Amino acid sequence: KNEVEQSPQNLTAQEGEFITINCSYSVGISALHWLQQHPGGGIVSLFMLSSGKKKHGRLIATINIQEKHSSLHITASHPRDSAVYICAADSGGGADGLTFGKGTHLIIQP
Amino acid sequence: EPEVTQTPSHQVTQMGQEVILRCVPISNHLYFYWYRQILGQKVEFLVSFYNNEISEKSEIFDDQFSVERPDGSNFTLKIRSTKLEDSAMYFCASRKGQVYGYTFGSGTRLTVV
Repeated sequence: KNEVEQSPQNLTAQEGEFITINCSYSVGISALHWLQQHPGGGIVSLFMLSSGKKKHGRLIATINIQEKHSSLHITASHPRDSAVYICAADSGGGADGLTFGKGTHLIIQP
Repeated sequence: EPEVTQTPSHQVTQMGQEVILRCVPISNHLYFYWYRQILGQKVEFLVSFYNNEISEKSEIFDDQFSVERPDGSNFTLKIRSTKLEDSAMYFCASRKGQVYGYTFGSGTRLTVV
């Protein structure tokens, strides 16, 4: 069974700061998902990556398969980035569900 | 952009009652899932559905749970006899295939009293 750990659990930063959220998992996976959950509860998929690095706007996600570690970076953070960021391990095959981390609660202060 | 639609957004039910949570996945997606999130806890996998049958289920998905795709568009989760501990946010999700990302619905908040 995969164990997915995220750090930090809570992060408060000032607007404009560079943010890093870390995720590690215990068992090899086919992909790692980064998700965003807003206070209303809805979940939005940000990235799915199986190697290397992906970038979308101010968000960058990286993964190191050998070290079983992924990071999500936010450049030039903004108060609207405030949300819970969750990583989830995908063992592949389509049928298996994702194994979620507990999430990182990010607050960006103006 | 296509969406996964869930209804109702909030349901309150009495302990022991049956509830049906409804989802309309994206039309050309092939894999369908139910997840739940108890307040303050992480999201947990319940069940996956592919080719009109259950593909995988977690230990949470016991005999009181069932899923159906009755008409090719709706995807439902039934809880036969609700317990207080079933109170949670239930998310439906779908994906086009194994190498694609997920699209989640906005969730149904189930409160069992």
